[in-house]
Amino acid sequence: NAGVMQNPRHLVRRRGQEARLRCSPMKGHSHVYWYRQLPEEGLKFMVYLQKENIIDESGMPKERFSAEFPKEGPSILRIQQVVRGDSAAYFCASSPSRGETQYFGPGTRLLVL
Amino acid sequence: EDKVVQSPLSLVVHEGDTVTLNCSYEVTNFRSLLWYKQEKKAPTFLFMLTSSGIEKKSGRLSSILDKKELFSILNITATQTGDSAVYLCAVDGGATNKLIFGTGTLLAVQP
Repeated sequence: NAGVMQNPRHLVRRRGQEARLRCSPMKGHSHVYWYRQLPEEGLKFMVYLQKENIIDESGMPKERFSAEFPKEGPSILRIQQVVRGDSAAYFCASSPSRGETQYFGPGTRLLVL
Repeated sequence: EDKVVQSPLSLVVHEGDTVTLNCSYEVTNFRSLLWYKQEKKAPTFLFMLTSSGIEKKSGRLSSILDKKELFSILNITATQTGDSAVYLCAVDGGATNKLIFGTGTLLAVQP
């Protein structure tokens, strides 16, 4: 059973470009969570999605960030018009249902030049 | 505001030593407390604790939760160099299961 998959593992963008980060949950998991880890800081919750629904986006910046988890395909975290402060590791986690253990992917390390 | 505090921030020990990592929390709607080990990539799951006083064990690692005093400890006995990592404590804050993380304890085990 493959774990949580994330791609790309590393992404370099120039200021103003768009970044798209993908997350495929573990097989049988329909709940996806995105977290951001800034340099020298702990992981911070961004958004929680279930298939086709955003359940909690209280940790997501109000502008430039969006997330989706379509019926088919991976969950996407999209950052428009990236700025240097968006440079971080973005981790995705999945669980089979609400309240169960979240298993993490390897992360995408975004560097904004 | 919900928060999770871990101590110490970092720790250097020698192989064979026993270490205790601490995690205290203040959250409005506690559901569970989780420990993860983070090396260079994905945080890997260690334990989920929901009830006070029940020790969870996995090999040389063990953990226990005290819901009255709002803390948990993670013990590692007979440490090995492969235990070197950042150990993360997180609390499931209830309604939407978002995890609130501490900043982690960096453990370095020297040969």
